[in-house]
Amino acid sequence: KNQVEQSPQSLIILEGKNCTLQCNYTVSPFSNLRWYKQDTGRGPVSLTIMTFSENTKSNGRYTATLDADTKQSSLHITASQLSDSASYICVVSAPDNTDKLIFGTGTRLQVFP
Amino acid sequence: SAVISQKPSRDICQRGTSLTIQCQVDSQVTMMFWYRQQPGQSLTLIATANQGSEATYESGFVIDKFPISRPNLTFSTLTVSNMSPEDSSIYLCSVEEAYMNTEAFFGQGTRLTVV
Repeated sequence: KNQVEQSPQSLIILEGKNCTLQCNYTVSPFSNLRWYKQDTGRGPVSLTIMTFSENTKSNGRYTATLDADTKQSSLHITASQLSDSASYICVVSAPDNTDKLIFGTGTRLQVFP
Repeated sequence: SAVISQKPSRDICQRGTSLTIQCQVDSQVTMMFWYRQQPGQSLTLIATANQGSEATYESGFVIDKFPISRPNLTFSTLTVSNMSPEDSSIYLCSVEEAYMNTEAFFGQGTRLTVV
């Protein structure tokens, strides 16, 4: 069964600190792996998209990495800000399933001053 | 990119009633997707809405419960019928097209509470 698992489930950090969120998936093959940020009461917003041949991709203070051999991805947030408080969702697109998106359960990040 | 307007943003409904959620996109798209996000859970695909054809429903979701309309390439509605408290959830519409660099864009969601 195609699955996407994220850890930790929740995380609390102080403003200015860095953090790394993890994503393990069993989807194979896959078209791309995405990280989304979902603020409370809002829809998810794309942060990064990586194909299987990409190892890293950055978007400002967000850097995603991908190891297609171990089927792991991480999202690193540098110099966290209060506005980073949100849920971060790892999503894998599966080509053998008409590119259906498979969502992880997310990591709830809270940044405190 | 795509801008999606979804409404209502939230509603509180009596059990047994129905609610229709609207989704308007600022560009023409082939497929629109409807998701449900239950508290603390990930997004679950309800159905894919293609213009000019019947929506395709995922396992566990049926047309009688979640009828969908797709009258044109920029608009879709999802109705949650005969609601029960178990239908309390966030409902989101989404679009994704190849010309959007395979990004999926989401509406802001409709937070539904059934009492």
